[in-house]
Amino acid sequence: GIQVEQSPPDLILQEGANSTLRCNFSDSVNNLQWFHQNPWGQLINLFYIPSGTKQNGRLSATTVATERYSLLYISSSQTTDSGVYFCALLSWGKLQFGAGTQVVVTP
Amino acid sequence: DAGITQSPRYKITETGRQVTLMCHQTWSHSYMFWYRQDLGHGLRLIYYSAAADITDKGEVPDGYVVSRSKTENFPLTLESATRSQTSVYFCASSARGGELNQPQHFGDGTRLSIL
Repeated sequence: GIQVEQSPPDLILQEGANSTLRCNFSDSVNNLQWFHQNPWGQLINLFYIPSGTKQNGRLSATTVATERYSLLYISSSQTTDSGVYFCALLSWGKLQFGAGTQVVVTP
Repeated sequence: DAGITQSPRYKITETGRQVTLMCHQTWSHSYMFWYRQDLGHGLRLIYYSAAADITDKGEVPDGYVVSRSKTENFPLTLESATRSQTSVYFCASSARGGELNQPQHFGDGTRLSIL
C-alpha cells in the first residue's frame, strides 16, 4: 500500500517562529490533504492540495506530486498552532494518514 | 450549518456489550467513512460507504458492522465490544470518491472506552 512519512515527528517552537513540515509519499496519488488536530482532538481541514501552492493566512502548503512530497509552512507561529499536523493521501476516495508531526508552540 | 455530527462524544461500556456510534451529515455527501485513531497507529479506515446501501471494508473492519439506509446517516456498531476496540472514532464524509476525489470532512470524534 501507499506509504506516507512525515517529518519531523516532534517540533517545539517559540511563538513568532517559522517552521516547515514535510510529507513524503511512496506512490502517485490523486490528491493530498493536510489536517490540524487541536488539543481537544478535533481534526481541522487545512488544505486540499494535489499540486502547486495554496495559502491560508499564516499557513501555506506546497505539493510537488512528481517528486512525491508536500510541505506545510507555518509562519509567525502562535500558541493556538499547537497540536498534531497530519498529511493524508487521497487515493480512490480513501485517505491514508501519516503518523503526524506534534507541534508545541511556547509563549 | 451543522455539517457532520457524531454522537455520543464519550462512551464507556463493558466487554461483550453492543454499542452503536452515530454519524449524521447535512451536506448530502455521497461518501462516508469511519476511522479509528490509536496511539502508534494513527488513523485507520474501518469501513466506508459510497452511497446508501453500499458499504465496503477498510483496513481494520473486524468486529465492526455498518449500515447506510439513508444518505445522511452512517452508524457504526460494535456487536460484542472488546478492550482492543477502545479508541477514538472519527466519522468523515466527502462529496465524491473514486477517481473524482474530493476532500474529506471530519466530525469531532467519539471517545470510546471498553472496560
